Amino acid sequence: KAGVTQTPRYLIKTRGQQVTLSCSPISGHRSVSWYQQTPGQGLQFLFEYFSETQRNKGNFPGRFSGRQFSNSRSEMNVSTLELGDSALYLCASTPIRGGDTEAFFGQGTRLTVV
Amino acid sequence: AQSVTQPDIHITVSEGASLELRCNYSYGATPYLFWYVQSPGQGLQLLLKYFSGDTLVQGIKGFEAEFKRSQSSFNLRKPSVHWSDAAEYFCAVGDSGGSNYKLTFGKGTLLTVNP
Repeated sequence: KAGVTQTPRYLIKTRGQQVTLSCSPISGHRSVSWYQQTPGQGLQFLFEYFSETQRNKGNFPGRFSGRQFSNSRSEMNVSTLELGDSALYLCASTPIRGGDTEAFFGQGTRLTVV
Repeated sequence: AQSVTQPDIHITVSEGASLELRCNYSYGATPYLFWYVQSPGQGLQLLLKYFSGDTLVQGIKGFEAEFKRSQSSFNLRKPSVHWSDAAEYFCAVGDSGGSNYKLTFGKGTLLTVNP
């Protein structure tokens, strides 16, 4: 069974640009969450999608957005990139929301803003 | 809101020595607790999890953790460390309501293993 797949693995963008990251969850998993990881702030929850609806959102500005498609694949978008957006962005999927199951993480997308 | 504290930023042990990584959480009810490991530039791999029941949980790679409600702790242990265990370790708690989709992580403990 394939794991969580994130594309691309690496990105370099210029300040002010926008970027879209993609996440394909494990087959059958319907909940997708996104996290930002930086050396200073650590791992922080961005948002969670289930059944194509955003169910939870972390404390991030509106420049960070996402969506989920009917096949559970998810994308996150960051507009007007800032240097501080440089981070490893991790996607996680779970088969159901809550319950005695864990989140499975992808390898991440390393975004560098110059 | 829940929080997780990993008091040790960096730990160095010798190969073959025992290991204990500390984790304290703040949560109002019975938490869902997790330990994840991350190798450089990689995603997170689950080591073990606690949802309920037996407070001593076994995980992969010979790791175990003990849930102590009275101390709000979930420390990770391994009796004999291997050089391949060098990585960063994260403790996490599930969101209020006991979820798995909104995790709060500690800052992580970087483990260095000396030969």
